[in-house]
Amino acid sequence: DGGITQSPKYLFRKEGQNVTLSCEQNLNHDAMYWYRQDPGQGLRLIYYSQIVNDFQKGDIAEGYSVSREKKESFPLTVTSAQKNPTAFYLCASSPRGEKLFFGSGTQLSVL
Amino acid sequence: QQQVKQSPQSLIVQKGGISIINCAYENTAFDYFPWYQQFPGKGPALLIAIRPDVSEKKEGRFTISFNKSAKQFSLHIMDSQPGDSATYFCAASSSSGASKLTFGTGTRLQVTL
Repeated sequence: DGGITQSPKYLFRKEGQNVTLSCEQNLNHDAMYWYRQDPGQGLRLIYYSQIVNDFQKGDIAEGYSVSREKKESFPLTVTSAQKNPTAFYLCASSPRGEKLFFGSGTQLSVL
Repeated sequence: QQQVKQSPQSLIVQKGGISIINCAYENTAFDYFPWYQQFPGKGPALLIAIRPDVSEKKEGRFTISFNKSAKQFSLHIMDSQPGDSATYFCAASSSSGASKLTFGTGTRLQVTL
């Protein structure tokens, strides 16, 4: 069953803690993306990667980090430098083109 | 800053009615205009998309109307059904691909019985 798997579905972060959100895809897509979704603000691009071992900052990269060691995986770390991390995080992938395929998201909340 | 302005923020339509969501853009380099549908707790999914070489694209009950001179495009949902209740996002990009997609702020559609 092809698709994008995000885990966990819900995640809680304590003050000063780094947390990592997982994103795995078996669609054999080259490009992967992380978006942040806040109520009333649409989707904002955090980071994207078009090939393994390479990634670029999106519009709101501060306080986040990523890696792309494998084509299938694109984990996102929300660092303690991100002062307002509560949001719904969406991972997506795309073949060479514009269409995005999204995962089901991770809701991150602060304790 | 490249922006896509979407309206209304929320919309209530009776079953069988027409739902209309509008978007306006500023960047004349945009040449790809998709609409995404998102159900609660899920990721968005591509619904329909249009390029500026046509003024209208229809897929089933969903139609995109595109006005290049006004830099506006809209989504029309004919015969709206309760199952269409979701949040809809317009987006736009230039030829550089999905990494440059700019999303609207979303419209929450509720279709009532």
